[in-house]
Amino acid sequence: GQNIDQPTEMTATEGAIVQINCTYQTSGFNGLFWYQQHAGEAPTFLSYNVLDGLEEKGRFSSFLSRSKGYSYLLLKELQMKDSASYLCVGRGRGSTLGRLYFGRGTQLTVWP
Amino acid sequence: ETGVTQSPTHLIKTRGQQVTLRCSSQSGHNTVSWYQQALGQGPQFIFQYYREEENGRGNFPPRFSGLQFPNYSSELNVNALELDDSALYLCASSSQREPYEQYFGPGTRLTVT
Repeated sequence: GQNIDQPTEMTATEGAIVQINCTYQTSGFNGLFWYQQHAGEAPTFLSYNVLDGLEEKGRFSSFLSRSKGYSYLLLKELQMKDSASYLCVGRGRGSTLGRLYFGRGTQLTVWP
Repeated sequence: ETGVTQSPTHLIKTRGQQVTLRCSSQSGHNTVSWYQQALGQGPQFIFQYYREEENGRGNFPPRFSGLQFPNYSSELNVNALELDDSALYLCASSSQREPYEQYFGPGTRLTVT
């Protein structure tokens, strides 16, 4: 199966750090993406992990543990514009290599 | 902006009608995927086209069909529209190279009444 679980909502204050967790069934995917989606807009690509460990990209970092079926997205120095839905996305393997499997998204609200 | 375009932006149709949505892929991308996103949900995979052929399909009925053209643009057709087809339809383009990340267009908001 390819079930992806992530919290529905999170809140944080401007300037803080927030970690959004994601768990999935380990046999399902060959890599994890994180996408950001503002209300009424299309998802935009944030990061990708295929190997275990941390990938850092400016204020955003993403971590993957394949054996545990666990990933997180870390957002530092939060800004108001970071208020959005953050989607944990699995990449298919084998015959479904190019297919993306989306979680329901975590709605992050950043308060001043 | 990703360079992926979709038309129309919004559409209102009546139950039982047919609809065609269009997508132009980003330059250099030969693969187009279509997704349906209901309110409050993550996008659900409909199908993918690579070199004008269907390259994988999600759990959607046959009344959802598609095409890809030689310039890699694509169409999504939905026949016999149902109320539950009301959603945001997203097109994403990608290459066939690692990590196969997909870039999304702005979407078409379809309302079926």
